[in-house]
Amino acid sequence: SQQGEEDPQALSIQEGENATMNCSYKTSINNLQWYRQNSGRGLVHLILIRSNEREKHSGRLRVTLDTSKKSSSLLITASRAADTASYFCATLFSGGYNKLIFGAGTRLAVHP
Amino acid sequence: DADVTQTPRNRITKTGKRIMLECSQTKGHDRMYWYRQDPGLGLQLIYYSFDVKDINKGEISDGYSVSRQAQAKFSLSLESAIPNQTALYFCATSERDSTDTQYFGPGTRLTVL
Repeated sequence: SQQGEEDPQALSIQEGENATMNCSYKTSINNLQWYRQNSGRGLVHLILIRSNEREKHSGRLRVTLDTSKKSSSLLITASRAADTASYFCATLFSGGYNKLIFGAGTRLAVHP
Repeated sequence: DADVTQTPRNRITKTGKRIMLECSQTKGHDRMYWYRQDPGLGLQLIYYSFDVKDINKGEISDGYSVSRQAQAKFSLSLESAIPNQTALYFCATSERDSTDTQYFGPGTRLTVL
């Protein structure tokens, strides 16, 4: 089963609004990453947050991590039509044969 | 030039045919992955390779095989294609480090009739 599960599955907002996507996971992690996928294209890495970090910023992106709740959120501020894409969280287990496990993604539509 | 390339980008084939999808990378990464994505869904891991001699099955390896010809090349084969293998296939690479941050190719859209 997938480690990370995103919520909501789909999100529709107007340009200029903020978009918040959430990711929950089940077991202890080493890090959590967010990726973006434009329609039909390869995923692109956006940001990584380690298990000992609580918040990270990159441009208009803000990621939080709550290891006690096993959850993360991705906030895109002042959204643009070009932000329309699917967003995936991916988690790296803290033990074992380390490789990322991807969630099912949130489809974000930003309307002009 | 793109760091991770996939060929072909699109392929239409018939049930029962053997198909090979190829992935090449110039990033110098040890780790390579093959994923499948069905419309509107997330990624499913087919096979992964942590180096040339280390190949592992993923969640959905049945009906697929792989070959890691060199550090830079990782091929995925469908020995006898079936219609429910119609999907978007992605190759990805990552460094041998503590993060497993992955870099994806542009994808191959495969249609099996």
